[in-house]
Amino acid sequence: GAVVSQHPSWVICKSGTSVKIECRSLDFQATTMFWYRQFPKQSLMLMATSNEGSKATYEQGVEKDKFLINHASLTLSTLTVTSAHPEDSSFYICSAMRQWGGRTDTQYFGPGTRLTVL
Amino acid sequence: DQQVKQNSPSLSVQEGRISILNCDYTNSMFDYFLWYKKYPAEGPTFLISISSIKDKNEDGRFTVFLNKSAKHLSLHIVPSQPGDSAVYFCAASGNQFYFGTGTSLTVIP
Repeated sequence: GAVVSQHPSWVICKSGTSVKIECRSLDFQATTMFWYRQFPKQSLMLMATSNEGSKATYEQGVEKDKFLINHASLTLSTLTVTSAHPEDSSFYICSAMRQWGGRTDTQYFGPGTRLTVL
Repeated sequence: DQQVKQNSPSLSVQEGRISILNCDYTNSMFDYFLWYKKYPAEGPTFLISISSIKDKNEDGRFTVFLNKSAKHLSLHIVPSQPGDSAVYFCAASGNQFYFGTGTSLTVIP
């Protein structure tokens, strides 16, 4: 089945540093990937939609200069949390839309990256 | 390989009847399970969760059942309403989150 991976799975960093999280679709091409933030027992908050070869579309309230998204290829999107602060500590989850036979299939979620900012 | 599976991609139910959405997992170390509801063009909305120490959790019309020996959980919606039509994702967590591929529920008025 379709698999989406994230790397790293857990990262601890100091306040003020930048952290890059990778999202890869392992066995399919994804023109569209999504980045979510997960708070405990809460909904997945959509942060941005990442389209291959173009700029990401950010949801209202998400700082695009703080959360840099790059979708450099059909299998890789990266989220960089710049100048991280403790309030950025969270689970970051990506998903990828699989194109199948010219149609959009379904979303496949990555396992998430736990970011802890000290 | 998918550690969380939703084998039914779609389900249609008459309004007022029960909707049962199923989810299977492979890793016995998962200790927390969640259900999300997703409308088109929106992020998944948290619906209900259950810890592995319980076998049932109820919240209004939504009940989640956990069968640890079978590594199976299900979401029951009673009575089903047209507004419940959405894609439902189950997820399991240990150190990371693992999502199923979703079941599209259609409640027919």
